[in-house]
Amino acid sequence: AQSVTQPDIHITVSEGASLELRCNYSYGATPYLFWYVQSPGQGLQLLLKYFSGDTLVQGIKGFEAEFKRSQSSFNLRKPSVHWSDAAEYFCAVAPNTNAGKSTFGDGTTLTVKP
Amino acid sequence: DVKVTQSSRYLVKRTGEKVFLECVQDMDHENMFWYRQDPGLGLRLIYFSYDVKMKEKGDIPEGYSVSREKKERFSLILESASTNQTSMYLCASSLNGRGGNEQFFGPGTRLTVL
Repeated sequence: AQSVTQPDIHITVSEGASLELRCNYSYGATPYLFWYVQSPGQGLQLLLKYFSGDTLVQGIKGFEAEFKRSQSSFNLRKPSVHWSDAAEYFCAVAPNTNAGKSTFGDGTTLTVKP
Repeated sequence: DVKVTQSSRYLVKRTGEKVFLECVQDMDHENMFWYRQDPGLGLRLIYFSYDVKMKEKGDIPEGYSVSREKKERFSLILESASTNQTSMYLCASSLNGRGGNEQFFGPGTRLTVL
């Protein structure tokens, strides 16, 4: 069975500073990996996903993530954070089979200081 | 754009009541999911459906049932609501059973059981 760990429950950064949110997964092979964002009072929205190929993946809103097989990690990054990025971020893993079920991490809440 | 709608944003029910949460998607997706979201626990899968009239238990199915009579609609039923079912409920859909398909989420229903 797959699992996901987001080690940071809450992160605070200043507007304009860089951001990195950590995600570690456990799965026997290379899984499908996702990052979702949830703004207050909203459902989750996909930021980016990794299936195969280039290990650096570009997403929406200026986010990127890097898949590192040796570290079983898929960390999310943004070079310069905007106040509107304040939200909860979820990493998810899905098996590379036809099961279709994703497992989500517990989430990281991002606060942006002015 | 895929749209996933949920029948209510906020719902208040009494202990012992039967509760129906409705979810509709408009993109002919095969898979539909119900999650509950609680602070610090991330998203936990209650049930999912991969076809009309087909369902499979998720991680926390106790106290819940589901119904999928039409492809676009997936209902979550609390047969006898209890206070520990107070939570945010999120519905999602994905194209098909392949693990690489992202999920599209509704805005959520915040259920309070008194």
